[in-house]
Amino acid sequence: SQQGEEDPQALSIQEGENATMNCSYKTSINNLQWYRQNSGRGLVHLILIRSNEREKHSGRLRVTLDTSKKSSSLLITASRAADTASYFCVINAGGTSYGKLTFGQGTILTVHP
Amino acid sequence: GAGVSQSPSNKVTEKGKDVELRCDPISGHTALYWYRQSLGQGLEFLIYFQGNSAPDKSGLPSDRFSAERTGGSVSTLTIQRTQQEDSAVYLCASSGLGGRNTQYFGPGTRLTVL
Repeated sequence: SQQGEEDPQALSIQEGENATMNCSYKTSINNLQWYRQNSGRGLVHLILIRSNEREKHSGRLRVTLDTSKKSSSLLITASRAADTASYFCVINAGGTSYGKLTFGQGTILTVHP
Repeated sequence: GAGVSQSPSNKVTEKGKDVELRCDPISGHTALYWYRQSLGQGLEFLIYFQGNSAPDKSGLPSDRFSAERTGGSVSTLTIQRTQQEDSAVYLCASSGLGGRNTQYFGPGTRLTVL
């Protein structure tokens, strides 16, 4: 399966705390992307990390990629109530799959004010 | 327009009826994707367009589903003889350069088949 599998399935934290979500996959990848989905803003792209990159930052987000372990993690620092959403690890296998994205089931993050 | 738009935002139909869902991608984006999201699930890939052609239709769940894209822009997803299991949110995304870049998603069409 090309699907990424997120862990944990659900995460509940207090505002100001850090949130870490993990993703494991089984195939080779062109890149790995994280998306966020909430009722207010729909599905939004957060960050893309290419297979030859190991770490990437964007604001309060930090993504790591370990291709030898076929795993990635998303860290949200100093969380806010507005970060409450589902977070998806998305595989782009590249090659003949071009831009086809394969979504996992997601991690539901709840940040309590 | 600034982003991907989809219409209608909500569609309620009776079992057996046909429905058409529309997607307007970001201007200039050559790649267009349709996904489906059932309640509490991740997104399921349906079909991919590069320009007006569809190199990958592998995700279409049955021959009741079809999609077309005209002028390299607007796309229509048609579901014939709808069934209750077709109820889901149908999401459209577009990207440039054959899809290897970020995909930008529309707000989706929530389809309910009674």
